[in-house]
Amino acid sequence: QKEVEQNSGPLSVPEGAIASLNCTYSDRGSQSFFWYRQYSGKSPELIMSIYSNGDKEDGRFTAQLNKASQYVSLLIRDSQPSDSATYLCAVEGGSYIPTFGRGTSLIVHP
Amino acid sequence: GAVVSQHPSRVICKSGTSVKIECRSLDFQATTMFWYRQFPKKSLMLMATSNEGSKATYEQGVEKDKFLINHASLTLSTLTVTSAHPEDSSFYICSALGTSGSADTQYFGPGTRLTVL
Repeated sequence: QKEVEQNSGPLSVPEGAIASLNCTYSDRGSQSFFWYRQYSGKSPELIMSIYSNGDKEDGRFTAQLNKASQYVSLLIRDSQPSDSATYLCAVEGGSYIPTFGRGTSLIVHP
Repeated sequence: GAVVSQHPSRVICKSGTSVKIECRSLDFQATTMFWYRQFPKKSLMLMATSNEGSKATYEQGVEKDKFLINHASLTLSTLTVTSAHPEDSSFYICSALGTSGSADTQYFGPGTRLTVL
């Protein structure tokens, strides 16, 4: 049973701070890792994908992958209230069918 | 970027009726599409994987005779909830497998909120 674990939160950070979201996974054979953002009542939106160890930066977002420790994280710099949403971690092991975590609720307060 | 549409966005129906939801990839061809269901404050639950021209693969616990999936073309998959009951009320989301760079990525549709009275 492939598992993807996320702290459900909520994670509350002040505006302008760095929000750090973490995800661990059980399948060592996992190859592709994704972070999705989901606003309440909406479908998930892809934010970042990462495939190799290290950091990947895109604007205010940085994904970090450590396959040895089986975790992937998402950092959001200069957090804005509009970043308030649920962030889903998804892990895929070559079958094109990702396993989703339950998501972490992020609240950015002014 | 890859765009996936769903229709309708909302549907309210009476118990016992059937509801069809369409999922289209607008600017790319998708040989594989996925159907998810999400209850309030819960995670996405994969219902089935739909491959163009072949039968869908259903996840354990999902009734294939109740949730009919048809993937007749490379841009269209449909989910029909047959004899819907109030417990089928949920947020149904499709996704299509597209290519971003060198890797395959799922692109989600906007979702369909089904309410069965």
